Amino acid sequence: AQSVSQHNHHVILSEAASLELGCNYSYGGTVNLFWYVQYPGQHLQLLLKYFSGDPLVKGIKGFEAEFIKSKFSFNLRKPSVQWSDTAEYFCAVNRYSGGGADGLTFGKGTHLIIQP
Amino acid sequence: EAQVTQNPRYLITVTGKKLTVTCSQNMNHEYMSWYRQDPGLGLRQIYYSMNVEVTDKGDVPEGYKVSRKEKRNFPLILESPSPNQTSLYFCASSSPYGEQYFGPGTRLTVL
Repeated sequence: AQSVSQHNHHVILSEAASLELGCNYSYGGTVNLFWYVQYPGQHLQLLLKYFSGDPLVKGIKGFEAEFIKSKFSFNLRKPSVQWSDTAEYFCAVNRYSGGGADGLTFGKGTHLIIQP
Repeated sequence: EAQVTQNPRYLITVTGKKLTVTCSQNMNHEYMSWYRQDPGLGLRQIYYSMNVEVTDKGDVPEGYKVSRKEKRNFPLILESPSPNQTSLYFCASSSPYGEQYFGPGTRLTVL
């Protein structure tokens, strides 16, 4: 079975600091990759996604992620975080088999706290 | 507006009392899923459905049932809820590439 590992369970940063959240997955075949964000008290929202093409993808609110196939990684980055980025971040991987949700696996999440 | 709706949003019940959480999507997606979210465990898939009348178990199906009689609806049924099913539940519908659209969540407490 595939697995998704998020290295940091809790991250605390000051405003304007740079952010990188790690995500590694175990499946060796073709994958679709996602980062979701969950703001306090809300449901999950898609931050960005990678299906194919340029391995550097840009999402909403200044976030980006880089797919490195050789490292099975899809790390999330933001050059300068804001207090409003305080949230839980989930990496998710879908095995591309022409199917859909049956192959989607989530990481355990990273709780990001931005201090003013 | 594309959306996934769930009801109820909050539910407090007692052990053994059957309950149903409804889920509906308006995006004509074939794939729908139920997840539970628990602190430190992330999201775990309970059941998923690839189309009408086609459902399958996810990672934590014990104690749950689902049905998919229509494409837009995917209710979650707890026949005999227990306290260990106290959790935050999310319904999601999925594009063919796996991009999930989540409902607002249902916070369930089983006493």
